[in-house]
Amino acid sequence: GAGVSQSPSNKVTEKGKDVELRCDPISGHTALYWYRQSLGQGLEFLIYFQGNSAPDKSGLPSDRFSAERTGGSVSTLTIQRTQQEDSAVYLCASSLVAGQGAGYGYTFGSGTRLTVV
Amino acid sequence: SQQGEEDPQALSIQEGENATMNCSYKTSINNLQWYRQNSGRGLVHLILIRSNEREKHSGRLRVTLDTSKKSSSLLITASRAADTASYFCATVPGAGNKLTFGGGTRVLVKP
Repeated sequence: GAGVSQSPSNKVTEKGKDVELRCDPISGHTALYWYRQSLGQGLEFLIYFQGNSAPDKSGLPSDRFSAERTGGSVSTLTIQRTQQEDSAVYLCASSLVAGQGAGYGYTFGSGTRLTVV
Repeated sequence: SQQGEEDPQALSIQEGENATMNCSYKTSINNLQWYRQNSGRGLVHLILIRSNEREKHSGRLRVTLDTSKKSSSLLITASRAADTASYFCATVPGAGNKLTFGGGTRVLVKP
């Protein structure tokens, strides 16, 4: 697609429910990244994919968080048994390739605002 | 801990004035990037400066990089109300593959 698409744009869920957040990156971008941003804060790295594999998932806060990517394209971030502290904007980004040497900027989606009540 | 730290955390200026914000980082980098975020949603890539570059321009934006001091600055000249946003610097530290963002500078341009 022309840009990075995330859905839903807003999600309100009850504490304890599972949620799935979707990211559709720019076609041809092999690297995909998930970040989380709490209100008024900076971006917290969660996980990144190169193709379908996740070389770095060090930012996932707990085992309630998981992500997958299929076909080198769409990625889904799943949060199980949501807690109130999971409330944040979840941002997805893609880039042509990963790695600092590549020198490519990221293209971000508009994010999913998750509210756990 | 964050790789990039922006300074100041917040900045309020009048339309037409220049806005300058700084970023410091900790480890060696290949490049440093600046992003803008409006209304707490998606970030927009503004400019990328490589480690062998000292200054780069893009429209009303001027970015400098001093690798000896591990610092960068972003200057917005002749600011407009539409420049009101949060600005983040980001780097890929060491041999990693992911951008690490600073806490951002919130810029308010008053008409």
